Amino acid sequence: DTEVTQTPKHLVMGMTNKKSLKCEQHMGHRAMYWYKQKAKKPPELMFVYSYEKLSINESVPSRFSPECPNSSLLNLHLHALQPEDSALYLCASSLTPQGGERAYEQYFGPGTRLTVT
Amino acid sequence: SQQGEEDPQALSIQEGENATMNCSYKTSINNLQWYRQNSGRGLVHLILIRSNEREKHSGRLRVTLDTSKKSSSLLITASRAADTASYFCATDARTGANNLFFGTGTRLTVIP
Repeated sequence: DTEVTQTPKHLVMGMTNKKSLKCEQHMGHRAMYWYKQKAKKPPELMFVYSYEKLSINESVPSRFSPECPNSSLLNLHLHALQPEDSALYLCASSLTPQGGERAYEQYFGPGTRLTVT
Repeated sequence: SQQGEEDPQALSIQEGENATMNCSYKTSINNLQWYRQNSGRGLVHLILIRSNEREKHSGRLRVTLDTSKKSSSLLITASRAADTASYFCATDARTGANNLFFGTGTRLTVIP
């Protein structure tokens, strides 16, 4: 199974709402990622989890709160978002490099299209 | 920013023609990867080339890497309408982590 699933596919939320995005993979990958992608732009890395621990936070505002409850699941909790946070949110997973080992290919989910009103 | 740049931003060709996309990046890398994205969907990994490799093939794909010029190219031969998509190069941070920095992307349209 080389699939990364994301739910929901679409989400519309108000600026006062609290919602969560979910991501799941069963490839045994211990590295998982959240990316944000605006229209006609490349994906931008938000967070990296390695062995269920947050290893990279690319200066993301605190209204985005990631969580990795186990090795297969990755959540992104959303609270008090702004309209400019509307974007496609992509989850990905990969094997985990050890030390200076080369990076591995990442497997992406289909994304959640988020609209903040 | 480690983000790379790709050119052209958009490319339109006839089915059967070859398509070449170029990527330039800024920092030393362990490897460079190419991904494809159909409109509004997730990315699909196409090919990975290591910093000590100069050329790599996979089916109709040919990738080159010139680390002295910090540049890479992706060639798709005998293009098909189904190749219509956005193509991104991605570099790692050479820190042992697997975080990728994506280039600006090339939007390829293959006309049947």
